[in-house]
Amino acid sequence: DAMVIQNPRYQVTQFGKPVTLSCSQTLNHNVMYWYQQKSSQAPKLLFHYYDKDFNNEADTPDNFQSRRPNTSFCFLDIRSPGLGDAAMYLCATSPQGVPTDTQYFGPGTRLTVL
Amino acid sequence: GQNIDQPTEMTATEGAIVQINCTYQTSGFNGLFWYQQHAGEAPTFLSYNVLDGLEEKGRFSSFLSRSKGYSYLLLKELQMKDSASYLCASMDSNYQLIWGAGTKLIIKP
Repeated sequence: DAMVIQNPRYQVTQFGKPVTLSCSQTLNHNVMYWYQQKSSQAPKLLFHYYDKDFNNEADTPDNFQSRRPNTSFCFLDIRSPGLGDAAMYLCATSPQGVPTDTQYFGPGTRLTVL
Repeated sequence: GQNIDQPTEMTATEGAIVQINCTYQTSGFNGLFWYQQHAGEAPTFLSYNVLDGLEEKGRFSSFLSRSKGYSYLLLKELQMKDSASYLCASMDSNYQLIWGAGTKLIIKP
């Protein structure tokens, strides 16, 4: 089945130790998104890629970086995780990013920072 | 500013009907989405409205009034598996989704 895959599902890191979360998709969608969602809060968009065009949200901290080496894969790098970065990180895709496009979410990676 | 308001939590009985309301204020409007999110899982798409009126899809219906900046999600014949958070999201003029914090729906037998 076509899907959005995130690895790992659970990630534990230490304060200040860089961590990379990965997302892959078999849907061949042009647009990929990274969201951060804390408990009982709305998902917060960090970045999105329209094909290779990178779009950074204005309030995304510099501590967060992203890479999209090809259509299928996208990575979220957290350079120096702080305790406040503990959250669920959701990857999503949509075909073209136009209004009627649904976003398809991966299962998420829950990040714990010790 | 951009804002989405929905109740934090609602409780309903199995077999009953529940309406979850959402009001939105966004810079421009390109549609209103509802997503369902079970605890610890990713959101899954339920509905999309861009025109005024009611869209029915099985047990779930979604309504939109653009002039009032208002939408609701109607769930009929509630089942225990409907216990989840329901997220309202408005798409703004830049085609970005502005998300609400979600309404946690608790179903009691």
